[in-house]
Amino acid sequence: DTEVTQTPKHLVMGMTNKKSLKCEQHMGHRAMYWYKQKAKKPPELMFVYSYEKLSINESVPSRFSPECPNSSLLNLHLHALQPEDSALYLCASSQDFPTGNSPLHFGNGTRLTVT
Amino acid sequence: AQSVTQPDIHITVSEGASLELRCNYSYGATPYLFWYVQSPGQGLQLLLKYFSGDTLVQGIKGFEAEFKRSQSSFNLRKPSVHWSDAAEYFCVVTGGGNKLTFGTGTQLKVEL
Repeated sequence: DTEVTQTPKHLVMGMTNKKSLKCEQHMGHRAMYWYKQKAKKPPELMFVYSYEKLSINESVPSRFSPECPNSSLLNLHLHALQPEDSALYLCASSQDFPTGNSPLHFGNGTRLTVT
Repeated sequence: AQSVTQPDIHITVSEGASLELRCNYSYGATPYLFWYVQSPGQGLQLLLKYFSGDTLVQGIKGFEAEFKRSQSSFNLRKPSVHWSDAAEYFCVVTGGGNKLTFGTGTQLKVEL
């Protein structure tokens, strides 16, 4: 059982749609992350939130908009995506950021397909 | 800059055989090292971690890894592989700072 919950599991959206990915953790972690993973590749960091503030944006296009309403929740708002944005989107959390020796805990991801 | 190399893209072993997945890292000081496993369509699950102390670390699902500073390696081992171990395995290094560096992954196939 994963302690980081992501919804939905699968999402198909057109290039003009607006949708949101959601992530929730109840481990009391203060840092939350969004990663993008293409097939047969390792995850790539997109955003990091620490204490509900955006700490890192890895030059992600503005069609991806993160939001951290509170320390347990992380959203990723999607608008005007391109087919190449189709990927597995993984949420993760860690006790602190910088991580020190605390590992990341990953959710099972949202499989996004942009048509 | 830190880096991780997983030399084997694919490995195939027979069920019941032993397994060793290789990981070499580059980092200026003692790194924090992790192994994660990813089953198809799933997220990443932490298998084990090394921060300091005993260089042989035990993880979940019967896995272990040995940190060898002289060889800059952190190889993952399992004495007897089960069919359910078929998955992608990622070695990860961090200096405890802002970035985790992932290896490119090793795809494990288990023959019955």
